[in-house]
Amino acid sequence: EPEVTQTPSHQVTQMGQEVILRCVPISNHLYFYWYRQILGQKVEFLVSFYNNEISEKSEIFDDQFSVERPDGSNFTLKIRSTKLEDSAMYFCASRGQGVIEQYFGPGTRLTVT
Amino acid sequence: DAKTTQPPSMDCAEGRAANLPCNHSTISGNEYVYWYRQIHSQGPQYIIHGLKNNETNEMASLIITEDRKSSTLILPHATLRDTAVYYCIVRAYNAGNMLTFGGGTRLMVKP
Repeated sequence: EPEVTQTPSHQVTQMGQEVILRCVPISNHLYFYWYRQILGQKVEFLVSFYNNEISEKSEIFDDQFSVERPDGSNFTLKIRSTKLEDSAMYFCASRGQGVIEQYFGPGTRLTVT
Repeated sequence: DAKTTQPPSMDCAEGRAANLPCNHSTISGNEYVYWYRQIHSQGPQYIIHGLKNNETNEMASLIITEDRKSSTLILPHATLRDTAVYYCIVRAYNAGNMLTFGGGTRLMVKP
């Protein structure tokens, strides 16, 4: 069964450093998403991406964040200058054309020290 | 999206049916009911969705009341691996892309 994959599974970085989280969505999916979950809190939407552009973003997704689909298979989330409060699990999701259910990856645990 | 209310936690004996309720009294006519679950710290997993008819798939059944103000997710024979947080989400089919997760119901399946 096809699945969304994410790398790395765990990323430790120092405050102020840039990080790139990578996702490989399900191959025939066209809609891509990033969510995050701070430890013990709810899953929060960050951004959705379709047809090589952002279609929706939340207030969390400020100028420090960017997304890219560099090569037709990967979907990346970049945090330009990490803060302590960016420590969280980051989940990538994708969905196909004409369906509503989103399929999530296993997540990347980001720890900012 | 309509607001949903779920009990914060429930227990279920292994092998028995788990019935997870969700209230969505402000649901509007074009809004679907979706269920996802999150096992430990894994990514949320889609389970099922419905509009007004009852739905069943290999994972679960979804029963929606006639007035659509509440629904119940049924796991017919719960196993220990069904221990997870279950989220009921209401949204229109062609609404914006985001999923809004509430607190969900933490289901503990016990041997």
